[in-house]
Amino acid sequence: DAGVIQSPRHEVTEMGQEVTLRCKPISGHDYLFWYRQTMMRGLELLIYFNNNVPIDDSGMPEDRFSAKMPNASFSTLKIQPSEPRDSAVYFCASSSIGLAGFSYNEQFFGPGTRLTVL
Amino acid sequence: DQQVKQNSPSLSVQEGRISILNCDYTNSMFDYFLWYKKYPAEGPTFLISISSIKDKNEDGRFTVFLNKSAKHLSLHIVPSQPGDSAVYFCAASQGGSEKLVFGKGTKLTVNP
Repeated sequence: DAGVIQSPRHEVTEMGQEVTLRCKPISGHDYLFWYRQTMMRGLELLIYFNNNVPIDDSGMPEDRFSAKMPNASFSTLKIQPSEPRDSAVYFCASSSIGLAGFSYNEQFFGPGTRLTVL
Repeated sequence: DQQVKQNSPSLSVQEGRISILNCDYTNSMFDYFLWYKKYPAEGPTFLISISSIKDKNEDGRFTVFLNKSAKHLSLHIVPSQPGDSAVYFCAASQGGSEKLVFGKGTKLTVNP
């Protein structure tokens, strides 16, 4: 079984440009998470979805960031316009509540997208 | 304000010895704790977890200890192996929520 798939793996762009990061969760998982990792702030949760519906977007830094999940197998994180301080590694993760109704919070992470904004 | 703190950015240990990674939390509502391991250029992978109703959970060479009164947990790796060299993240959740709060991570280096 394929794990969480993210694309692109690396993205270099110039300040002011639009950036779109993509994620395909593990099939059958009903939760999807977007994280950002930086040296200063560590691993921060940006937003998460349950059954394609955004549940908590309190971690989204500002209006320049938006995320969508049009179906169970695809999500995007968009930054428009991008700024140098957005440079980070962005991870997507997915999880499943499981048959017992309790997921034990084990999230499966993708390999990440390293974003550099010049 | 960081709710989950890993105060040691790095730790270096000799192969075969014990590695102890520490984590403190401030939110007393956290009731489930996890450790993730991350290799360079890869995403974090789940390692071990513990519920607040327990004070210890063991899985092979990995043991997590929870001290609720001190709001402290630790991960013990015995014996440490060079392949354990990675960044270790502590994470916490509350009330069955799927939302995890992560620490900043501790980079473990196990020297042969």
